[in-house]
Amino acid sequence: EPEVTQTPSHQVTQMGQEVILRCVPISNHLYFYWYRQILGQKVEFLVSFYNNEISEKSEIFDDQFSVERPDGSNFTLKIRSTKLEDSAMYFCASSDRTVNQPQHFGDGTRLSIL
Amino acid sequence: AQKVTQAQTEISVVEKEDVTLDCVYETRDTTYYLFWYKQPPSGELVFLIRRNSFDEQNEISGRYSWNFQKSTSSFNFTITASQVVDSAVYFCALSEARTLSTPLVFGKGTRLSVIA
Repeated sequence: EPEVTQTPSHQVTQMGQEVILRCVPISNHLYFYWYRQILGQKVEFLVSFYNNEISEKSEIFDDQFSVERPDGSNFTLKIRSTKLEDSAMYFCASSDRTVNQPQHFGDGTRLSIL
Repeated sequence: AQKVTQAQTEISVVEKEDVTLDCVYETRDTTYYLFWYKQPPSGELVFLIRRNSFDEQNEISGRYSWNFQKSTSSFNFTITASQVVDSAVYFCALSEARTLSTPLVFGKGTRLSVIA
């Protein structure tokens, strides 16, 4: 069964450094998402992406964050200057058509900011 | 605004007991989708079920069943004859159909522990 792949599984970064989280969505999917989950808390939406542009973003997704689909397969989340509170599990998801198909999630990248 | 409430933070049951996880949602849309996801200790999010707002039929899949009641804005999830492998955090989520890329709004999750 096709799946969403995220790398790395765990990233440790010094505060203030830039970090790029990578995702390979399911190949025929058109809609891509990033969510985050601070330890022990609920999953929160960050951003959705369709047709090479951001469709929606939450209040969390400020100027520190950016997303990109640099080629036909990868979907990346960049945090420009990381803060301690960015420590969380980051999930990438993709869907075929959002209103009819479920979002399928990757296994997540655990980001630890020191 | 959308909201999903999972009032049960943690539930503990003994293996083979039945358990129901509650989910109450709020939305102003008439068309929306409801989901359940499972997050086992390994951390990934596993899709379990999607329901649209026009389909109130209950669904059963093996030991899992879902009860959708629009009158009470609830979408409850029952596990029959629970097993240790069911131990996980279960999230209920809502998606309105207002845009082409509507995000999921998650509840805070219910941690289920099934004891052997």
